[in-house]
Amino acid sequence: NAGVTQTPKFRVLKTGQSMTLLCAQDMNHEYMYWYRQDPGMGLRLIHYSVGEGTTAKGEVPDGYNVSRLKKQNFLLGLESAAPSQTSVYFCASSYLGRGNYGYTFGSGTRLTVV
Amino acid sequence: SQQGEEDPQALSIQEGENATMNCSYKTSINNLQWYRQNSGRGLVHLILIRSNEREKHSGRLRVTLDTSKKSSSLLITASRAADTASYFCATDGGSYNFNKFYFGSGTKLNVKP
Repeated sequence: NAGVTQTPKFRVLKTGQSMTLLCAQDMNHEYMYWYRQDPGMGLRLIHYSVGEGTTAKGEVPDGYNVSRLKKQNFLLGLESAAPSQTSVYFCASSYLGRGNYGYTFGSGTRLTVV
Repeated sequence: SQQGEEDPQALSIQEGENATMNCSYKTSINNLQWYRQNSGRGLVHLILIRSNEREKHSGRLRVTLDTSKKSSSLLITASRAADTASYFCATDGGSYNFNKFYFGSGTKLNVKP
């Protein structure tokens, strides 16, 4: 009964490098989300998906790409990492998008770009 | 932005006291949710209140919603040291934007034993 699993938990990147963050959920949730959390700020939505094969932009999508090839996985890619992308990234999933159910969050990925 | 804003930013109380946190938002909503985040961890869903509800309870938690004032409050009664965490409200974007939630910057609650 894992819920939402994020890998890796920590990563240090050099400016310009690329990487992919993986989010996996085992609850058969349709909706999945990627947020970033910066000190003193709330969570900001990067991208989200309302079902397998679909993705949409959130509030801060620039510099990120996503893919949802399988219902249980939602990948977040950084094409060319920048120091401004240093943050904690959270993945979340929910059963129905109408907010009738709360989000289930992963434990986060702490990314540092140097 | 639809983002909710919590008030106060930080709150320090003694164990056994009640803690009240407020959330204000800007546009109409379908639902409002409250989450807790312990240091270094992910967010945990506490309670959801729909726009047609005025009050909801869950254990020691009481949430109220006033859609006319576009505000909500979270009351934690008889607080415990284990309640020390950051608390966030999250609002959806209303009828045409219901499938994503916007989070405020949170209230940091410290419960002293």
